[in-house]
Amino acid sequence: GQQVMQIPQYQHVQEGEDFTTYCNSSTTLSNIQWYKQRPGGHPVFLIQLVKSGEVKKQKRLTFQFGEAKKNSSLHITATQTTDVGTYFCAGRNAGGTSYGKLTFGQGTILTVHP
Amino acid sequence: DGGITQSPKYLFRKEGQNVTLSCEQNLNHDAMYWYRQDPGQGLRLIYYSQIVNDFQKGDIAEGYSVSREKKESFPLTVTSAQKNPTAFYLCASSIGGLAGSDTQYFGPGTRLTVL
Repeated sequence: GQQVMQIPQYQHVQEGEDFTTYCNSSTTLSNIQWYKQRPGGHPVFLIQLVKSGEVKKQKRLTFQFGEAKKNSSLHITATQTTDVGTYFCAGRNAGGTSYGKLTFGQGTILTVHP
Repeated sequence: DGGITQSPKYLFRKEGQNVTLSCEQNLNHDAMYWYRQDPGQGLRLIYYSQIVNDFQKGDIAEGYSVSREKKESFPLTVTSAQKNPTAFYLCASSIGGLAGSDTQYFGPGTRLTVL
């Protein structure tokens, strides 16, 4: 079945440093989504990428979708303590028959030291 | 105030007992999902439903059951057959349908502890 691998599992940074998490799928994706889960909270949708090679920005966050639509990355510039949490990618198989069924990566837990 | 709710937030049960987790949404979404979250393993799909009166098994359905009798409700029963039920359970919904978005909106979760 489809697998989505996410690395690293943990990342500790000093406030102001950059952070990147990577997501790789075993199959071609129709789209990829990113979610953020604050400690003790629930995942919240950040963004969706659909097109091959797509790049989207949200303030200090930059999201990329690979040319082959099998990998993606989230980069945070100059981290702040408010960035703390777990970041998940979630992909939908391009060949899938179950609309809406996403496969989540394991998540990257980000801690930011002030 | 639109949203998705789960109750209770914390739930304790004795081993061997069935327990039902509630999930309600008033977003008028067709699709609903149940995930289990364990440390270091991300979100794993238990069951999902794309429309009322229909549901499919996810990746880890053994020991769980669901029903979808109403559009707004998708309760999950954790049965005694589930070997390791202690976990954080998240319910989600999405617009669904052929032209809908599969962006998922999550409830606050229920933390189940089996003693």
